[in-house]
This record gives sequence, structure tokens and C-alpha cells, in this order.
Amino acid sequence: DVKVTQSSRYLVKRTGEKVFLECVQDMDHENMFWYRQDPGLGLRLIYFSYDVKMKEKGDIPEGYSVSREKKERFSLILESASTNQTSMYLCASSFLDKTQGYTFGSGTRLTVV
Amino acid sequence: AQSVTQPDIHITVSEGASLELRCNYSYGATPYLFWYVQSPGQGLQLLLKYFSGDTLVQGIKGFEAEFKRSQSSFNLRKPSVHWSDAAEYFCAVGGLIQGAQKLVFGQGTRLTINP
Repeated sequence: DVKVTQSSRYLVKRTGEKVFLECVQDMDHENMFWYRQDPGLGLRLIYFSYDVKMKEKGDIPEGYSVSREKKERFSLILESASTNQTSMYLCASSFLDKTQGYTFGSGTRLTVV
Repeated sequence: AQSVTQPDIHITVSEGASLELRCNYSYGATPYLFWYVQSPGQGLQLLLKYFSGDTLVQGIKGFEAEFKRSQSSFNLRKPSVHWSDAAEYFCAVGGLIQGAQKLVFGQGTRLTINP
């Protein structure tokens, strides 16, 4: 079964910490995405990548950065975590073929205290 | 700009009743449309998709959706819901956005099932 795996289901971090969220896919997908999900706001795109070492800003990139050193791995970095970054973070991946849709990971619920 | 509107934030139906979740989209070209379902604490799972051909598409778990270009809609339906259908449902439109193939999601509709 194809998978997108997020390293942590739940994470609690302190304000000001540097936080790494890891995502690995085993489907040889070219595209990878990071979203955050908040009640009433739906899914908002933070960053995406369509190739190794390539990254593009999404709708809400402020306070975040990403890294894609290998095709299968896409990391989201919170440079200095703040309480307003408490959220559910979802990773997704897809082929370049736009008809295929995305495969999502199970999510990481991050709480910043 | 591309956008998706799901007018209903929360819907409650009785088990065994029929269901229709509404989705309206805005996209300049031929849209690629998707419905996803998210069970509590989980990621999103693809229910069905439309990109060409028959405007009535069948998906998993007994769901179907109908693409209506004239109404810019892609409503999700199920003839008889089960308690296990309680979840959040997201409609999405895909296409060339910011130079890359991406999806834009609606805000979601939370479905509650009464026994």
C-alpha cells in the first residue's frame, strides 16, 4: 500500500524552539506539499516542492521553511516556534500528472506552549 | 483566482437518509475536481475525482458526485449514509496555479450522523 508517513502524530514544543516536521513518501512522487489545518479555515498551503532542492511558497509561508534534499523526503521547519503555530500539519505528495490528486499523511498535531 | 466554496460548514443527517454535500468552484479552464474525506485525527483520503468524460463519477464507500459546468458545481451524494460516514469532507479543484499543478481546497463540511 502506498504511503505518506509523517514522523510524529503528536508533538509539544516550547515557544522559541526550532521544530522539524518530517514527511516521507514511498511512491516516487515528484510533488510534495505541507499544509496546516485549522478549524474554520480548512487547509492552507505553506510550501510545496516539485523536485529535489526546489521549493515554492504557498499561501502562508511566514515563519516556516522547508528542505527537500531527497525525492522521498520533505521537511517543514519552524525556525522559532510560536503559539500561533499550534495546528494540525498535513503532508501530501502527488505525481506531476494533475489528474491523480494527492496522497496525504496522517498528520502531526503540534502544540506550542 | 481559483477557489472552492463549500456553503455548509456542518450537516447532520439520520442514519439511512440520503446525503448531498455542496461544492462550488471557480477556475478559468477545465477543472480537475476532487472530494476527500477526513476521519477524526486522520489525514485526507481520496473519495473520487473528475477530470473528463462522464459527468457523474463513482467513488469509494458508495459515494458519487456530479459535475455541472453550467452551475460550477461538483456536489457529493450518497443514497443512504452509515454511522461510519461521520467525518469531514473536503472538495478541491486542481490545475495550474502559481506555475505548478496544485489543489485548492474548500473549507470543509463536517458531517454528523444521528442514530
